[in-house]
This record gives sequence, C-alpha cells and structure tokens, in this order.
Amino acid sequence: DQQVKQNSPSLSVQEGRISILNCDYTNSMFDYFLWYKKYPAEGPTFLISISSIKDKNEDGRFTVFLNKSAKHLSLHIVPSQPGDSAVYFCAASDTGTASKLTFGTGTRLQVTL
Amino acid sequence: DAGVTQSPTHLIKTRGQHVTLRCSPISGHKSVSWYQQVLGQGPQFIFQYYEKEERGRGNFPDRFSARQFPNYSSELNVNALLLGDSALYLCASSLGPPETQYFGPGTRLLVL
Repeated sequence: DQQVKQNSPSLSVQEGRISILNCDYTNSMFDYFLWYKKYPAEGPTFLISISSIKDKNEDGRFTVFLNKSAKHLSLHIVPSQPGDSAVYFCAASDTGTASKLTFGTGTRLQVTL
Repeated sequence: DAGVTQSPTHLIKTRGQHVTLRCSPISGHKSVSWYQQVLGQGPQFIFQYYEKEERGRGNFPDRFSARQFPNYSSELNVNALLLGDSALYLCASSLGPPETQYFGPGTRLLVL
C-alpha cells in the first residue's frame, strides 16, 4: 500500500526553466512533508520541508506547495541548474516532525543544457 | 565536519546468514534511524533510536533488530537472511526525534 506516490518516474527540463515535481499522499494523518535529493552512491540530502499548517514554504530556488484538500504537494525549482540533476524523493510523517518518514518512489530529474 | 558514516559499504551474504550493519551519527546527534531501500522504491522506515531507547519501529519482521550505544552509534542486525533483504540500508541521524534527519551513504547488502 503506497501511501506516498510520485507518479512521474522521470522528468527532463532545460537549464534555466522551472522544474515541477509532484507528490500525492493517501494518509490523512500525515502532517509534515519533506523533499530529499539523492545523487548516486550518496544518501538522500534534505532540501525543504513544510508543515500541514502552511500551504507554501520557500528556500532560495526551492518552493514547496501543499494542497491538503487534494492531498498533493509539489516542489518547484527555479531556475533549474545542471547540478539539480538527481533523484528527488517526497517524504511524509504523521508525527508532526521530520521523523519516521514514509517515502515516495522518487522522480529522476534531468536538467539539460 | 564528518557526516553520517556507515560500514561496510558493500556486503554479500547467503540466505540464512546473519548480518550486522553499523552507523556513526554526526557529532552531537543523539537520534539514529534506519531505513531499507529496495531497488526502484523509496526508503522504508525500520527503526528509530534516541538516547539508546527505541522510539519507533516500522513494519518489519522480528528478524530485524537494532540497538544504540552510549556514544550514540548504532547497529542494525538482520537474522536468517532472505533474498528479499537485498537492499540499500540507510542510516540517518538527527539532534533528536523531531529534527531533520541527515542520511549516510548506505550499506548495500546482496543476499545470494
């Protein structure tokens, strides 16, 4: 039972354009959400998080949007850079914190020149 | 500053054997969590430890166990290995359970 879903296994975006990565969840008890980035042979790296009491959180080029009624969140990267090419995981927790995470299957982002 | 370190980096075992994976958290971090990532899937939560006590357990069989030592390092033990235990095992540390987790590079386990 996949409680966090990333339906796009891959995404290709040109350098300088916006990358939009999507994530859907089914568990209404999830109240904290995170995005992690993973390069090959490395562990996931924390990017940005959002609590369910907010609908938007911004950090530099990264913005996460949360639509609780649709059980949907998205990560926007503007502008996209070649170094952003990686696998992006959406994760959720029902503890109100960044612990005991449930991850999606990941979306591979390729930023082309 | 050193990040989360895990050993070994790679491991090959046969079915029925036992394996111990090790994790050293970032200095000052007191919480360690373990995740299993099977090929093509996202990481799945196995355990969380804080101050040497288990704070959470995911949906894994009793063949999986863990402990945390006084220096906050941790071991994950898996008994009676099955082919399906082949995966990347990730360790993450944080200052405490509510805080952001920082992941190590993982131990890749292959069970033949």
